[in-house]
Amino acid sequence: EAGVAQSPRYKIIEKRQSVAFWCNPISGHATLYWYQQILGQGPKLLIQFQNNGVVDDSQLPKDRFSAERLKGVDSTLKIQPAKLEDSAVYLCASSLLGDSMNTEAFFGQGTRLTVV
Amino acid sequence: GQNIDQPTEMTATEGAIVQINCTYQTSGFNGLFWYQQHAGEAPTFLSYNVLDGLEEKGRFSSFLSRSKGYSYLLLKELQMKDSASYLCAVRDRFGTGTASKLTFGTGTRLQVTL
Repeated sequence: EAGVAQSPRYKIIEKRQSVAFWCNPISGHATLYWYQQILGQGPKLLIQFQNNGVVDDSQLPKDRFSAERLKGVDSTLKIQPAKLEDSAVYLCASSLLGDSMNTEAFFGQGTRLTVV
Repeated sequence: GQNIDQPTEMTATEGAIVQINCTYQTSGFNGLFWYQQHAGEAPTFLSYNVLDGLEEKGRFSSFLSRSKGYSYLLLKELQMKDSASYLCAVRDRFGTGTASKLTFGTGTRLQVTL
């Protein structure tokens, strides 16, 4: 079974530039998460989709971050313009829909973003 | 919102037993997960608890007390490869709907020494 695919693996940009990350979840997984993980910290939930609808985006800095999952499958996360403090690993995860079950989230390898 | 607390760092000896605690505060608890994350890698699932009690899976066990908002991960017969961060994550329902979100603690970095 293919896992969660993310690209690119690494990205270096200058501050004020734009960047986009792509995620393809495990086939059949209705829930998709984008997390930001700063070095030495736990993953911070940025946005959670259920199919193509947003479940939670309360911690997404909406003045510069945007995300979409138009067809309920793959997703893109964009930062425009980037700031130095956006340097982090951006993790995409997916899970089956089923809040009453052990529906663990499976993570992709992440995109390591460095803003200089 | 949620408040998830874990110790920042722990050190233990190879072959020993270590217990990593996690406390949480949430209004719509719907399950607690433990993940392992090696440096530079993605988190991988270890265990899941939704009812009170102990879940055992080989060398790893996880315990939950919903009334106390408390969980622990127990690692037995520690090996050097167990050196990693251990993340506690809580799933909780919010609002009046059925959707849940998954929130992680800051993680506990475990160093296993000889």
